[in-house]
Amino acid sequence: QKEVEQNSGPLSVPEGAIASLNCTYSDRGSQSFFWYRQYSGKSPELIMSIYSNGDKEDGRFTAQLNKASQYVSLLIRDSQPSDSATYLCAVNTFGSSASKIIFGSGTRLSIRP
Amino acid sequence: EAQVTQNPRYLITVTGKKLTVTCSQNMNHEYMSWYRQDPGLGLRQIYYSMNVEVTDKGDVPEGYKVSRKEKRNFPLILESPSPNQTSLYFCASSLSPGLALQNEQFFGPGTRLTVL
Repeated sequence: QKEVEQNSGPLSVPEGAIASLNCTYSDRGSQSFFWYRQYSGKSPELIMSIYSNGDKEDGRFTAQLNKASQYVSLLIRDSQPSDSATYLCAVNTFGSSASKIIFGSGTRLSIRP
Repeated sequence: EAQVTQNPRYLITVTGKKLTVTCSQNMNHEYMSWYRQDPGLGLRQIYYSMNVEVTDKGDVPEGYKVSRKEKRNFPLILESPSPNQTSLYFCASSLSPGLALQNEQFFGPGTRLTVL
């Protein structure tokens, strides 16, 4: 089982609709969760971070965390063509002396006009 | 401007010719890391550094070396590159590697390496 799992997609969503991206993780000790957006050939760009159960909203983006289910999601409202990208879920686990960030392999999102 | 820089951005080389990819950050971050990204495999960590003179292996360290002599710099060294090291490489940094919850990583622009 991969430590951080995402559906690779592509996920196709009509412009103006809500895009829902999901991520599950295996380490119950994980404490920090991040969503990155990556355009083809470019570096990942942080768009959301979440640390406690529940929802966190930032503009058109909402991150949702459920630690009991080991599940984190990203909702994008009013999807725009510029949202077409690969979205990476990242999970930070803290060990006794070091932290480790593990990335999922990403979900490719395509917003169709 | 707060940023992570990498050089070179593009490099084509031949098998066995030693090369170094530089990484520098101006945010006074303690933690720095190198990743490679390959199609279908996502981001895989090569090496990371918790602070000056403290480095450790990530998930795919074979064939790579790093050093951290100064806080701002974290070069990646390929002593004898091979074609399977052809990849897109990213350097990243974050404020603190420790118990802080807020540990977002900031990425450099990437280095596309081709080994013939």
